[in-house]
Amino acid sequence: KNEVEQSPQNLTAQEGEFITINCSYSVGISALHWLQQHPGGGIVSLFMLSSGKKKHGRLIATINIQEKHSSLHITASHPRDSAVYICAVRSGMNYGGSQGNLIFGKGTKLSVKP
Amino acid sequence: ETGVTQSPTHLIKTRGQQVTLRCSSQSGHNTVSWYQQALGQGPQFIFQYYREEENGRGNFPPRFSGLQFPNYSSELNVNALELDDSALYLCASSNRDISYEQYFGPGTRLTVT
Repeated sequence: KNEVEQSPQNLTAQEGEFITINCSYSVGISALHWLQQHPGGGIVSLFMLSSGKKKHGRLIATINIQEKHSSLHITASHPRDSAVYICAVRSGMNYGGSQGNLIFGKGTKLSVKP
Repeated sequence: ETGVTQSPTHLIKTRGQQVTLRCSSQSGHNTVSWYQQALGQGPQFIFQYYREEENGRGNFPPRFSGLQFPNYSSELNVNALELDDSALYLCASSNRDISYEQYFGPGTRLTVT
């Protein structure tokens, strides 16, 4: 079982729809990241959070530390939101002998149709 | 302030060959982490360099090695390439003395034939 699980793996939505992507993890963490990856590979950090909720524009990220679960919401989705969204956690313990490194989920591929 | 850059963008190598990938960290950053992302998978941690020293390694064989220079740029070297090494290689830089937030480069797409 992967330490970070995302659902769904693939998601197709109509423009304007409200979208939720879920992330569950099994390790103790010090922070959780939501990342966006466009075709071609470049990764952009959307949020880093360790508790509660953060909002940036149409994006909202929440985390429940007790339940080891996080969600990424996109309101009023748009075709330009089409990308792979990746959840990654920073382990609270040394992982691979170093601090600050990330354990990634496999990503959720989002396609928003006009 | 320039972001994280990687070179080359794409690379095709033959099985058994050796390859060097390069990463220039963001200004003010002293830490570089390397990740391998196979098609359809999330990135996997290879190793991290902090102030020119290797500071942790994931589950990768010794033929994956690295280096960090005094200007904090970094190289990833892979010897005896195998077909399964075909992947997107990402580097991410940070300043561990301030924050663990990592900034990613655009990646190098390596194809081994």
